[in-house]
Amino acid sequence: DGGITQSPKYLFRKEGQNVTLSCEQNLNHDAMYWYRQDPGQGLRLIYYSQIVNDFQKGDIAEGYSVSREKKESFPLTVTSAQKNPTAFYLCASSPPGLPSYEQYFGPGTRLTVT
Amino acid sequence: RKEVEQDPGPFNVPEGATVAFNCTYSNSASQSFFWYRQDCRKEPKLLMSVYSSGNEDGRFTAQLNRASQYISLLIRDSKLSDSATYLCVAVTDSWGKLQFGAGTQVVVTP
Repeated sequence: DGGITQSPKYLFRKEGQNVTLSCEQNLNHDAMYWYRQDPGQGLRLIYYSQIVNDFQKGDIAEGYSVSREKKESFPLTVTSAQKNPTAFYLCASSPPGLPSYEQYFGPGTRLTVT
Repeated sequence: RKEVEQDPGPFNVPEGATVAFNCTYSNSASQSFFWYRQDCRKEPKLLMSVYSSGNEDGRFTAQLNRASQYISLLIRDSKLSDSATYLCVAVTDSWGKLQFGAGTQVVVTP
């Protein structure tokens, strides 16, 4: 089955620890994205990557880092510098070709930092 | 001002009834729009794309009013399974950056 997978579904960490969220897709999509969603708010873009070995900051990149070494994978690291890391993190990808703005989401990871 | 604004609801709708709600956007250059559906604690799923004046898909109709800068979603013959939060999305950038609204909650009751 083609799709986007994120793991784990739930993640608990102590404050001050870095944590890496996994995102894998087998849809052959070029572009991948990371969003965070907080209660009562819209999704906010953290980072995006339109091609392997290239990525750009989104609206709220501070305290996060990413890598894009493979087309299929776009892991997100939440660093200890992120002041309010508890949130629902969603990874998305979009098909090749322009215009192609439709994005498809993975099931998300709920991160709780205490 | 938020780029995409939605009435958070909830819109309580009897089963079988019609419900409609709007979303306003501030960037007049936005060309493309989407409606996503998000169930509680799940990921958003693409419901409809709106590239021109509107789109219809079964019981769902989306309309775009560029003059007043809003998009509407109408759901006819509501089903219990339509209960969800509906996210309005505007494409605000040439590379396809999506701007999400906070969502409108719809609750369909028996």
